[in-house]
Amino acid sequence: GQNIDQPTEMTATEGAIVQINCTYQTSGFNGLFWYQQHAGEAPTFLSYNVLDGLEEKGRFSSFLSRSKGYSYLLLKELQMKDSASYLCAVMDSNYQLIWGAGTKLIIKP
Amino acid sequence: DTAVSQTPKYLVTQMGNDKSIKCEQNLGHDTMYWYKQDSKKFLKIMFSYNNKELIINETVPNRFSPKSPDKAHLNLHINSLELGDSAVYFCASSQGLAGGPGTGELFFGEGSRLTVL
Repeated sequence: GQNIDQPTEMTATEGAIVQINCTYQTSGFNGLFWYQQHAGEAPTFLSYNVLDGLEEKGRFSSFLSRSKGYSYLLLKELQMKDSASYLCAVMDSNYQLIWGAGTKLIIKP
Repeated sequence: DTAVSQTPKYLVTQMGNDKSIKCEQNLGHDTMYWYKQDSKKFLKIMFSYNNKELIINETVPNRFSPKSPDKAHLNLHINSLELGDSAVYFCASSQGLAGGPGTGELFFGEGSRLTVL
């Protein structure tokens, strides 16, 4: 079967750095996405990785290792508005997105 | 100007009723989707249409019927609603199917929270 694993919940402090991990087992691979979803709102796109390595975009970076079936989302200089769920999704060989359940990130002052 | 809009945002109804959710996108995308997000927060694909043609139809009860009158609209009709249908339903669109920046990226509507009593 196909599955995406990520921690259910994480807590971090404002101004700090947090890393949210995602491991996956899918039928083929056509890229990995990270989405942010605030409570009661729609998911919004954060990043896309299809090649190994680190993609940096402002305070957020996303890393991929295809051989390990592993990705992480790194958030720096955390702000209270970063409190949200972070969803990892992998596009399989049929170009279908397989979603994780999301990691709820709680930021404390 | 909302990119992907869906209505209604909230829907409360009785078991056995029939209801519809409408979705429209003004991004010029080729592909539209319906997702269901349950209380455990998993997003599950239900249907996908590309240029008005059904391309993904996951294992969904046939009480759920999508309709795409044109590539900018994808509506969802649900017959004989059951308690287990209570969830948030998200419409989304993307340009094409292939993965990659600007193609696989999904743009979501605000969601329609359905509560079946």
